[in-house]
Amino acid sequence: RKEVEQDPGPFNVPEGATVAFNCTYSNSASQSFFWYRQDCRKEPKLLMSVYSSGNEDGRFTAQLNRASQYISLLIRDSKLSDSATYLCVVNGGGYNKLIFGAGTRLAVHP
Amino acid sequence: EAQVTQNPRYLITVTGKKLTVTCSQNMNHEYMSWYRQDPGLGLRQIYYSMNVEVTDKGDVPEGYKVSRKEKRNFPLILESPSPNQTSLYFCASTREGEKLFFGSGTQLSVL
Repeated sequence: RKEVEQDPGPFNVPEGATVAFNCTYSNSASQSFFWYRQDCRKEPKLLMSVYSSGNEDGRFTAQLNRASQYISLLIRDSKLSDSATYLCVVNGGGYNKLIFGAGTRLAVHP
Repeated sequence: EAQVTQNPRYLITVTGKKLTVTCSQNMNHEYMSWYRQDPGLGLRQIYYSMNVEVTDKGDVPEGYKVSRKEKRNFPLILESPSPNQTSLYFCASTREGEKLFFGSGTQLSVL
């Protein structure tokens, strides 16, 4: 089993739609969780950290479920510019041990 | 501007010809790391360094070398590249409590 698993997609959604991605992780001792965004063949960029109580940044909401060992990302009112691959990242022990999921591809169409 | 500079952006080489991918950061970060990204596998850590002269293997270190003689530089060395090292490579840096800063990537093709 992979340490961090994501549905690869693609998720094809129209503009304005709400879309949600889940990511499961295997290490119950993981302490830090992140969502990164990656545009085609470019460097990943931090979208948001995921806090235990859940957190929101504009149209993006991240949730953590420790009992079931998954994190989620909800995107409301999708824009064409949201088209990208979203990487789930879990801290595997120390800030130097980040484990990346393979990513979920989102395609937003007009 | 705070950045991680990685060169070259694209590299095509042949099996067995030694190559170096350079990485430099201007943020005085202690931690630097190399990743490779392959379809369906996500980013996998090759080597990392917690500070000058301190390096450690990541998950996929075979066939790679690194050095950290100065804080700002962390080159990735392929002594004898093979086709299975064809991949997209990223260098990254950070310090504790901060996000990872990535270089713009190096697409390597080994023929």
